Amino acid sequence: GESVGLHLPTLSVQEGDNSIINCAYSNSASDYFIWYKQESGKGPQFIIDIRSNMDKRQGQRVTVLLNKTVKHLSLQIAATQPGDSAVYFCAENMGSTSGTYKYIFGTGTRLKVLA
Amino acid sequence: KAGVTQTPRYLIKTRGQQVTLSCSPISGHRSVSWYQQTPGQGLQFLFEYFSETQRNKGNFPGRFSGRQFSNSRSEMNVSTLELGDSALYLCASSARPMNTEAFFGQGTRLTVV
Repeated sequence: GESVGLHLPTLSVQEGDNSIINCAYSNSASDYFIWYKQESGKGPQFIIDIRSNMDKRQGQRVTVLLNKTVKHLSLQIAATQPGDSAVYFCAENMGSTSGTYKYIFGTGTRLKVLA
Repeated sequence: KAGVTQTPRYLIKTRGQQVTLSCSPISGHRSVSWYQQTPGQGLQFLFEYFSETQRNKGNFPGRFSGRQFSNSRSEMNVSTLELGDSALYLCASSARPMNTEAFFGQGTRLTVV
C-alpha cells in the first residue's frame, strides 16, 4: 500500500484498550481543528472536528479534547479495534482576518492495534 | 452519493515534463483543495478553489498551478517536473471554503524519474 510516512511516531495498543493520540498545534489563532485517519492506500478520512470555542467533543467511540492554553489537541479512541490501525493526523485551520483559510497538518501518529 | 474522484491513480513522468491531475468533488461541493503528501514532509497544502476562484495558496513554487471549472471539477498542473515532485497528490472537497469538514479522494501517486 501507499507509504504515508516512514518515520512516524507509533502507538501500540492492545485490542480493547483505549487509545490516546496527541497533537501540538502551532497557531494560537487557529479556530477549527480536525482529526483524520489514513489507512494504507487511501486518502485521509474525517473522524471528528472541534471549534475553538469548545474544550471537548464526542463522537462514536472517539473524543477530541482541546487545550488552547498549551495549544494541544488529543484524540481518544475507546475500545480500540483492529480496524482502527492507521495513521492519524490532526489539522488546524489558520483563519485570518481576510477570511481566507489554510489547513496545517501534523506529521501524524501511526496506531497499531495488537490482537 | 459518489465520493471524491481523482484521476489517474498512478502516473510516471520524466523530469522536465509536465503533468495534469484531475479531481471531481462530491456532487454539490464547490470547494476543492489540493495537497501534496510525502514521507519526509507529510501533508502540505497546495491551494484551494471555490467557485472557480483560487482562494488560498500554500508555499509552493509557481510550477504548481490549478484551476476549477464551472462544474466544480478541478485540475492541478505541475510543469517542469523535478524528482522531488514525486508524491501522493490528494484533493479534498467541501461544501464551503475551508472551515468545514473536507472529504478526501484516494489520491494520485506521481513518480518522477
